[in-house]
Amino acid sequence: GENVEQHPSTLSVQEGDSAVIKCTYSDSASNYFPWYKQELGKRPQLIIDIRSNVGEKKDQRIAVTLNKTAKHFSLHITETQPEDSAVYFCAASIVPFGNEKLTFGTGTRLTIIP
Amino acid sequence: DAGVIQSPRHEVTEMGQEVTLRCKPISGHNSLFWYRQTMMRGLELLIYFNNNVPIDDSGMPEDRFSAKMPNASFSTLKIQPSEPRDSAVYFCASSSILQGNQPQHFGDGTRLSIL
Repeated sequence: GENVEQHPSTLSVQEGDSAVIKCTYSDSASNYFPWYKQELGKRPQLIIDIRSNVGEKKDQRIAVTLNKTAKHFSLHITETQPEDSAVYFCAASIVPFGNEKLTFGTGTRLTIIP
Repeated sequence: DAGVIQSPRHEVTEMGQEVTLRCKPISGHNSLFWYRQTMMRGLELLIYFNNNVPIDDSGMPEDRFSAKMPNASFSTLKIQPSEPRDSAVYFCASSSILQGNQPQHFGDGTRLSIL
């Protein structure tokens, strides 16, 4: 089955700096890669996702890049703000109608230092 | 859009008791997923349904766990008998097959404590 590894497990950055979280996956058939943000005591919320037919996707301060050959994808947050502090999870799946299961990484606890 | 609704939000009970967690998916979504989250094991998929039919229950830890989806708007996850190691946050998520089953939208979770 799919295996997703996520690094680093914790990350602290100064407010205004950029943060990068990296994930690798094992199943070359995976083609859908979402990123979820989970604040303390809250539910995971989708912040951005990418499908394997594109290499990069941006949404304001957040971007995700995908390297299918190397089987890794990354989350980039620019101009970080205190409200970006949370745990971030990457995941991988096969869509549509493949293995709908999301395999999650182990999470990255991001702390923004004011 | 009411989102995925889970109940109860918190449950504290003694070991050996039966626990029932409930989930109402987003209207129109036809896939439903049950996850368990712990510090040690992260987010684990327990079981998921497509059109009310269980597709993959390989993540269900043991026979003490069971899940049902009697109709498109309701699902239950039952633990009987409960044990302290079942303490975790249980999330329900739903998605639409018509959108390739992604993205999945999570409910607020049930924080379960077994004493």
